[in-house]
Amino acid sequence: DGGITQSPKYLFRKEGQNVTLSCEQNLNHDAMYWYRQDPGQGLRLIYYSQIVNDFQKGDIAEGYSVSREKKESFPLTVTSAQKNPTAFYLCASSSIEGSGYTFGSGTRLTVV
Amino acid sequence: AQSVTQLGSHVSVSEGALVLLRCNYSSSVPPYLFWYVQYPNQGLQLLLKYTTGATLVKGINGFEAEFKKSETSFHLTKPSAHMSDAAEYFCAVSDSSASKIIFGSGTRLSIRP
Repeated sequence: DGGITQSPKYLFRKEGQNVTLSCEQNLNHDAMYWYRQDPGQGLRLIYYSQIVNDFQKGDIAEGYSVSREKKESFPLTVTSAQKNPTAFYLCASSSIEGSGYTFGSGTRLTVV
Repeated sequence: AQSVTQLGSHVSVSEGALVLLRCNYSSSVPPYLFWYVQYPNQGLQLLLKYTTGATLVKGINGFEAEFKKSETSFHLTKPSAHMSDAAEYFCAVSDSSASKIIFGSGTRLSIRP
């Protein structure tokens, strides 16, 4: 079945560490997105990519980095510059305009 | 710029009662509108969407929403609530010329036995 796979489901980061969250899709979607979700704040867009080898900053890109070397993959790196990384991270993809997003099941990142 | 406002961060209804979750949008172009549902520690699942055509849209799990242009609203309803409907619901809007979607802040729906 087609879908989006996020891994790991739970991730723990030590202070000063960079960590990378994986997002893979087999839907042949062109666009991919990363959102951060905090309690009571809804979804905030971190980065998005509408085509391979190109991506744009969202509303809260500081302290994060991404790459889009393959259509299927859009990994997110949470760098040490992100001072408050504890959150639930969601990856999504979409194809035809107006078709809506397909979401992964999320990665919960905790700083220890 | 587009925006979405969900009225009420938390709604509680009795099992079997009507569910009404309110959503108002702002858009300078004809909008694409969506409702998503999120269960704890899971991703979002598309409930229904409005693009063009019929303004009453039916979705999964017995939910439906009506696009009212004059009121800039897209409220979500279900005639009879079930315990399994307890979740967080997000309204969202998209510009018809781009695929980026703007999400509301969410409404948590609780169902009382």
